[in-house]
Amino acid sequence: LAKTTQPISMDSYEGQEVNITCSHNNIATNDYITWYQQFPSQGPRFIIQGYKTKVTNEVASLFIPADRKSSTLSLPRVSLSDTAVYYCLVGEWLNAGNNRKLIWGLGTSLAVNP
Amino acid sequence: DTAVSQTPKYLVTQMGNDKSIKCEQNLGHDTMYWYKQDSKKFLKIMFSYNNKELIINETVPNRFSPKSPDKAHLNLHINSLELGDSAVYFCASSQDADSPLHFGNGTRLTVT
Repeated sequence: LAKTTQPISMDSYEGQEVNITCSHNNIATNDYITWYQQFPSQGPRFIIQGYKTKVTNEVASLFIPADRKSSTLSLPRVSLSDTAVYYCLVGEWLNAGNNRKLIWGLGTSLAVNP
Repeated sequence: DTAVSQTPKYLVTQMGNDKSIKCEQNLGHDTMYWYKQDSKKFLKIMFSYNNKELIINETVPNRFSPKSPDKAHLNLHINSLELGDSAVYFCASSQDADSPLHFGNGTRLTVT
């Protein structure tokens, strides 16, 4: 059963770059890493997803080393509104690979201070 | 124009009652899900439907029964509510198994 491990909490200040690292030692060879963000009283929101190397979008970057046993979510120049819980996810493929079940951990609670 | 909407937002009820939570998505997605988030913030999948067909059914008590009248709706009915059912229930949808999930804003269920 693939699982992820990430820090329970992190603190940062406005304008800083924040890097949240996640370990997933048993990730399946055909699986990828997905990150979600959750604000209080809201459902999780997709941030970024990747299989290897580096992925970048308008919100974040995701760095995945060659062995894929870990990944790092990078948030450039955070603001107060980035205070949220960040989840790193891998999955289990079910039904002969037609369905993917995400495995959720506790996430990293990021607090951005003024 | 909310993408995934669930009602009600809050639900307070007594033990033993039967209640339903409704979910609708207007994204044209094929797959819908129900998740439960407990007080420790663990998100656990309960059910997944693809084109109205049940795909994932975790070890959820039989008191929980999902119903998908069409591809855009996945309702959750709960019989004989118990104190331990108190949690936030999230509905979500995705285009397929590979695609990101879109979540609703949750239904906070409190059983007294």
